[in-house]
Amino acid sequence: DTEVTQTPKHLVMGMTNKKSLKCEQHMGHRAMYWYKQKAKKPPELMFVYSYEKLSINESVPSRFSPECPNSSLLNLHLHALQPEDSALYLCASSPTGSMTYEQYFGPGTRLTVT
Amino acid sequence: ELKVEQNPLFLSMQEGKNYTIYCNYSTTSDRLYWYRQDPGKSLESLFVLLSNGAVKQEGRLMASLDTKARLSTLHITAAVHDLSATYFCAVNYGGSQGNLIFGKGTKLSVKP
Repeated sequence: DTEVTQTPKHLVMGMTNKKSLKCEQHMGHRAMYWYKQKAKKPPELMFVYSYEKLSINESVPSRFSPECPNSSLLNLHLHALQPEDSALYLCASSPTGSMTYEQYFGPGTRLTVT
Repeated sequence: ELKVEQNPLFLSMQEGKNYTIYCNYSTTSDRLYWYRQDPGKSLESLFVLLSNGAVKQEGRLMASLDTKARLSTLHITAAVHDLSATYFCAVNYGGSQGNLIFGKGTKLSVKP
């Protein structure tokens, strides 16, 4: 299995809702990432988990809460989002201890906040 | 602070022509990546370049890395319509997890 899966593909939520994005990989990668990508912009790193521990938080607002329950699964919990948070949310994973640390991206969740 | 600059940001080509996309970065890095993104889709890894002088080729695309000049190029040979997409270079920073800083992307449009 050489892919990263993300659910849901699309999500529309109101500013008072609570929702979660899910990411899964079965490649044995021990580093997992969340990126945010606005239209016509490059991806921006949000969080990095290494061996199920949060290693990088790129000053992301607390309304985004990541969770890594095990080595294959990464969640992003959303609460009280703003319309400007509407974007494509990409999950990625990479092997640790390799030469390339190449990141494999999932298909993304397109989030719309109304 | 690591900065990654791509140019051009937009590229309109005719089929059959050759062109080069440039990626400059501001501080030392040991890994450079090229990704392709189709509209509304995720990122597809094209190349990983690890060392000075590295050159990799896949089909009509060839990527190279000059770490001394902090420059990578993505050369397109005899472009075809299927190559139309946005191409990002990305440079790692901050250690072994491969945390990436992306360039702004080059939107390539290949016209018949």
